[in-house]
Amino acid sequence: EVQLVQSGAEVKKPGESLKISCKASGYSFITYWIGWVRQMPGKGLEWMGIIYPGDSDTRYSPSFQGQVTISVDKSISTAYLQWSSLKASDTAMYYCARLHSTSWYSPAHYWGQGTLVTVSS
Amino acid sequence: EIVLTQSPGTLSLSPGGRATLSCRASQSVSSSFLAWYQQKPGQAPRLLIYDASSRATGIPDRFSGSGSGTDFTLTISRLEPEDFAVYYCHQYGSSPPYTFGQGTNLEIK
Repeated sequence: EVQLVQSGAEVKKPGESLKISCKASGYSFITYWIGWVRQMPGKGLEWMGIIYPGDSDTRYSPSFQGQVTISVDKSISTAYLQWSSLKASDTAMYYCARLHSTSWYSPAHYWGQGTLVTVSS
Repeated sequence: EIVLTQSPGTLSLSPGGRATLSCRASQSVSSSFLAWYQQKPGQAPRLLIYDASSRATGIPDRFSGSGSGTDFTLTISRLEPEDFAVYYCHQYGSSPPYTFGQGTNLEIK
């Protein structure tokens, strides 16, 4: 069974750094693209970026390029989303999601449970 | 970047009714690489339809998708109480980044 288990909720102050995680199991981690999706409070879904764990090929949406870093640790089948300096506007639920097939022309099929990030002074 | 516009923003219907949700793309979606998701409060999105008309595993046959090019439709033929939720379309036909529509809130009338 494919599972994506995300790290727990975080409360941070503006300017702090943060790295949240998404641990995958039940499939070959290196052969499926995995991405991150933001959902701000009461708002819709936004693709942030996507990574291929096999070679760490990473693509970012323009809105998120330079704002976050997506990475993986193949040895522990885990994907990460990190910020070097958080803003209040980063307050949101963040989901990791694995694509349906090994091609990137594929929808997000499996989703983590979400990590709530709250940034407040 | 392909922009997806969903309509209506809110749809009020009764259980047993038929729901028709629209998703229009700003340019043609390659190979009908369009999906539909359902999201309920406090839950992650759930994949319903992919490749415009293929149902994901375990999705009831009252959910159906159609369309191509720039116009796509999600139809729910007989609304059950558990179908009231927010629905998003999503295109994955261009190389990443992908895009979502802004969502349609299907509410009980």
